[in-house]
Amino acid sequence: GDSVTQMEGPVTLSEEAFLTINCTYTATGYPSLFWYVQYPGEGLQLLLKATKADDKGSNKGFEATYRKETTSFHLEKGSVQVSDSAVYFCALSGSDSNSGYALNFGKGTSLLVTP
Amino acid sequence: KAGVTQTPRYLIKTRGQQVTLSCSPISGHRSVSWYQQTPGQGLQFLFEYFSETQRNKGNFPGRFSGRQFSNSRSEMNVSTLELGDSALYLCASSLAGSGNTIYFGEGSWLTVV
Repeated sequence: GDSVTQMEGPVTLSEEAFLTINCTYTATGYPSLFWYVQYPGEGLQLLLKATKADDKGSNKGFEATYRKETTSFHLEKGSVQVSDSAVYFCALSGSDSNSGYALNFGKGTSLLVTP
Repeated sequence: KAGVTQTPRYLIKTRGQQVTLSCSPISGHRSVSWYQQTPGQGLQFLFEYFSETQRNKGNFPGRFSGRQFSNSRSEMNVSTLELGDSALYLCASSLAGSGNTIYFGEGSWLTVV
């Protein structure tokens, strides 16, 4: 079945450092890919998405490119801020209507940015 | 426009009791799905409803059930609560097409004692 694997955390970075969180997936067909962020005590917020190969999703300085050849959707940000400290989830949604478009999540990567 | 609204936000129940959680989707969204989040298992899909019909179901026991009303609002019920049911229950809504964004509510924190 479909699955998402993302790098284990926690990741600790200094402010203004470069961030990469790796995400790879296994899926049939052409899934849509998402990054969600969860701040302490809150629900999930969509960070960015890509719906087809070579699409680049971007938001708030974060970027991720849908790479079908490597089945990857790595999250990057050039300069992180303390306010980026959160848990980041990579997820996919199948392209088959029979699957009901449920999200399949990775385990999450905790990011801590220190001043 | 208003986001996904979940009630109650926090609740404490005793083992063996049952609980009902409520979710109001974003206006115009017809798909509502539910997820359970725990530290050990992460985020797991419970079920999805579209136009009052359950379209997809995750791998959870029959104690977990849900329904959707004609106005797209949804409820989920957990009967005979177990300690392991303590979790954050997240509701999400979408327009229900492939690639459409799924928006989440703040969640309902359930503690079973």
